[in-house]
Amino acid sequence: AQTVTQSQPEMSVQEAETVTLSCTYDTSENNYYLFWYKQPPSRQMILVIRQEAYKQQNATENRFSVNFQKAAKSFSLKISDSQLGDTAMYFCAFMNINQGGKLIFGQGTELSVKP
Amino acid sequence: NAGVTQTPKFQVLKTGQSMTLQCAQDMNHEYMSWYRQDPGMGLRLIHYSVGAGITDQGEVPNGYNVSRSTTEDFPLRLLSAAPSQTSVYFCASSRQGLVTGELFFGEGSRLTVL
Repeated sequence: AQTVTQSQPEMSVQEAETVTLSCTYDTSENNYYLFWYKQPPSRQMILVIRQEAYKQQNATENRFSVNFQKAAKSFSLKISDSQLGDTAMYFCAFMNINQGGKLIFGQGTELSVKP
Repeated sequence: NAGVTQTPKFQVLKTGQSMTLQCAQDMNHEYMSWYRQDPGMGLRLIHYSVGAGITDQGEVPNGYNVSRSTTEDFPLRLLSAAPSQTSVYFCASSRQGLVTGELFFGEGSRLTVL
């Protein structure tokens, strides 16, 4: 069975600075997706970034980037130039490519961006 | 452009009552799923469906029933609510074979069982 672990329940960062959220996972599968979802106080789940396991290149989306270490089963999220609107709960998630529609989530990291 | 619609958004029940959380999507997605969100535990899969007439259990299925009679709808039924089912529930959908694998979520339903 796959598991996803986020070991940082809470983090804070000053506006305009950089923060890294950690995620590790355990799987025996070779083909999978990894995701970071953002959940602001509105409760809406918003996809931040996605990584395909077969791609060696780390995914980037504007101020968001990941450090994907497949051998170490690590998938951290870096937020550059943090903004007040980045304040949210962040979830790391795993999907077996052969089990579409089924996400396995980590426990979440609550990020506060301080002015 | 509705996407995934969940109703109701809030509900209070007494122990032993029954109710149905409704979920509908207008994107013709094959996959649909229900998750519950509890503090410190992330989101956990309750039930999912890969198409009309096909459902399967997820990680925490006890106390919940589902059916999928159409592609669009995937209701979640609580037959006899218990305080342990107090949670926020999310419905999600995705397209089979979609390269991105992305799930589209509803806005969530907060359920309190007294």
